[in-house]
Amino acid sequence: KNEVEQSPQNLTAQEGEFITINCSYSVGISALHWLQQHPGGGIVSLFMLSSGKKKHGRLIATINIQEKHSSLHITASHPRDSAVYICAVGYKLSFGAGTTVTVRA
Amino acid sequence: DARVTQTPRHKVTEMGQEVTMRCQPILGHNTVFWYRQTMMQGLELLAYFRNRAPLDDSGMPKDRFSAEMPDATLATLKIQPSEPRDSAVYFCASGPRRNSGNTIYFGEGSWLTVV
Repeated sequence: KNEVEQSPQNLTAQEGEFITINCSYSVGISALHWLQQHPGGGIVSLFMLSSGKKKHGRLIATINIQEKHSSLHITASHPRDSAVYICAVGYKLSFGAGTTVTVRA
Repeated sequence: DARVTQTPRHKVTEMGQEVTMRCQPILGHNTVFWYRQTMMQGLELLAYFRNRAPLDDSGMPKDRFSAEMPDATLATLKIQPSEPRDSAVYFCASGPRRNSGNTIYFGEGSWLTVV
């Protein structure tokens, strides 16, 4: 069983919709990362969290250390948000399988 | 604008050939990671260096892969001999001191195809 589980695996939304991606992990961690990867592209770190909540533009990430769970929310989604979103935990990074998000205009 | 630089960006090679991928971490970062991404396995850690010393290379096939940091500005990942199953995207990432509260930065990746 993977240390990091993401859901859903795939997600399609209409432009403007609110999107939530979930990540659960089974090991104790000091930090959790949310990463974004566009098709054929590199990987960008969106957030690094160790507690609470962070917001950047239309993106919000939350983490509950006790429940070993994190969520990434995209408000007012836009087609340019279409990408793979990857949850990764720990200092060396153990990765979830990724969530492929498609936002239709 | 600080970034992690990887070369080559794309490489097609024949089975059995040696492949060397290079990475220039962000200046001042003391931690360097090598990851491999495939459709089947997703992203996996291959090797991890701190202050140029290898701390974890358990994810790396030892018989054909080797990773080094000859100096603080260069990390290398070598495959010899290469095999078709090594076809993947290889990412280098660098990060600052552990628990500094800062994130890590990925290079654009080296896309390797072994035929």
